[in-house]
Amino acid sequence: GAGVSQSPSNKVTEKGKDVELRCDPISGHTALYWYRQSLGQGLEFLIYFQGNSAPDKSGLPSDRFSAERTGGSVSTLTIQRTQQEDSAVYLCASSLRGAEDGYTFGSGTRLTVV
Amino acid sequence: EDQVTQSPEALRLQEGESSSLNCSYTVSGLRGLFWYRQDPGKGPEFLFTLYSAGEEKEKERLKATLTKKESFLHITAPKPEDSATYLCAVAGGYSSASKIIFGSGTRLSIRP
Repeated sequence: GAGVSQSPSNKVTEKGKDVELRCDPISGHTALYWYRQSLGQGLEFLIYFQGNSAPDKSGLPSDRFSAERTGGSVSTLTIQRTQQEDSAVYLCASSLRGAEDGYTFGSGTRLTVV
Repeated sequence: EDQVTQSPEALRLQEGESSSLNCSYTVSGLRGLFWYRQDPGKGPEFLFTLYSAGEEKEKERLKATLTKKESFLHITAPKPEDSATYLCAVAGGYSSASKIIFGSGTRLSIRP
């Protein structure tokens, strides 16, 4: 596609429920990244994919968070048993080869846990 | 540990009043320094990449410069539409960079 697409754009969920966030990167971009941005805060790295593998998942805050990427394209970030502190904007970005090429970001998914 | 510090946190300027935003960084093996613009409710939008000290890039009213420890984003004669949060970020690593580390941003507001 022309840009990075994320869905849904907004998600309100009850505490304890599981949620899935989707990212569709730019076609041909091999690198894909997930970040989290809490209100008024900077961007927090979560995980990096190169193709379908995740060489760096050091930013995942707990084992409730997981992500996968299939076909070297679409990625899904799953949060199990959501907590109120998970409320944030989750941003996906893709890059042609890696971080040195810079990122193109999607518009994000705003997650609110009530 | 790679680190990016931006100053000031917020900056209010009158239309036409030029200024500079600062980004100080610590990184093991700089592989790229990036500037992004972020509007409310949107993802960051790429502006510039700088790779080595002394490099400069320009786009309309914006000019980014790089030294071994800092980068500056100079804004010349800004307009209200330049109001946004400006993010500085670095990619580091001696062999390759797995991710970009972001600063907390400078919120720029331009009054007409």
